[in-house]
Amino acid sequence: KAGVTQTPRYLIKTRGQQVTLSCSPISGHRSVSWYQQTPGQGLQFLFEYFSETQRNKGNFPGRFSGRQFSNSRSEMNVSTLELGDSALYLCASMAREGSYEQYFGPGTRLTVT
Amino acid sequence: AQSVAQPEDQVKVAEGNPLTVKCTYSVSGNPYLFWYVQYPNRGLQFLLKYITGDNLVKGSYGFEAEFNKSQTSFHLKKPSALVSDSALYFCAVSFPGTYKYIFGTGTRLKVLA
Repeated sequence: KAGVTQTPRYLIKTRGQQVTLSCSPISGHRSVSWYQQTPGQGLQFLFEYFSETQRNKGNFPGRFSGRQFSNSRSEMNVSTLELGDSALYLCASMAREGSYEQYFGPGTRLTVT
Repeated sequence: AQSVAQPEDQVKVAEGNPLTVKCTYSVSGNPYLFWYVQYPNRGLQFLLKYITGDNLVKGSYGFEAEFNKSQTSFHLKKPSALVSDSALYFCAVSFPGTYKYIFGTGTRLKVLA
């Protein structure tokens, strides 16, 4: 099986712009979670989607949003980018309810200038 | 506030020696506990989890972890370190019935040849 894929892998944006990141989970996985990884804050949970519904949400401002499609692919959107949004954004999918084992993609490196 | 602490930013150990990477947590209820490893420019890989049962959990690549409820700790261990074990290790917690995770800030393990 192919692993979790994320596109694009690298992205450079300017302050004030918006960005959309994409994640394709492992085939058959229905839960997709998003994380922000920075050197100072480590990994912080953004949100989790299951069957097209946001099931869990972290403590991020409303500029961070996401969605999940019927094929379980997920997108994350950040509007009005700030310099502090520069980070590695990781997506993870889960095999089945109750397993709690997450499979992570390689991440999208976002740089805001 | 619920949190996971990894008190050591870096751990150095000689190849062949036992290694321990520490993790403590401060959460309410009965959490589920996890260890993940991150190699350079890659996403996180699942190592092991504690859900219930035996306090000593065995995982991938010869790693194991011991759940200690009274000390609220979940230290990662390996009897004999390999240079290839050098990576960034993350401890995480989740909660029964939710798929929201709290990660520690990570510990960089360096195994010296």
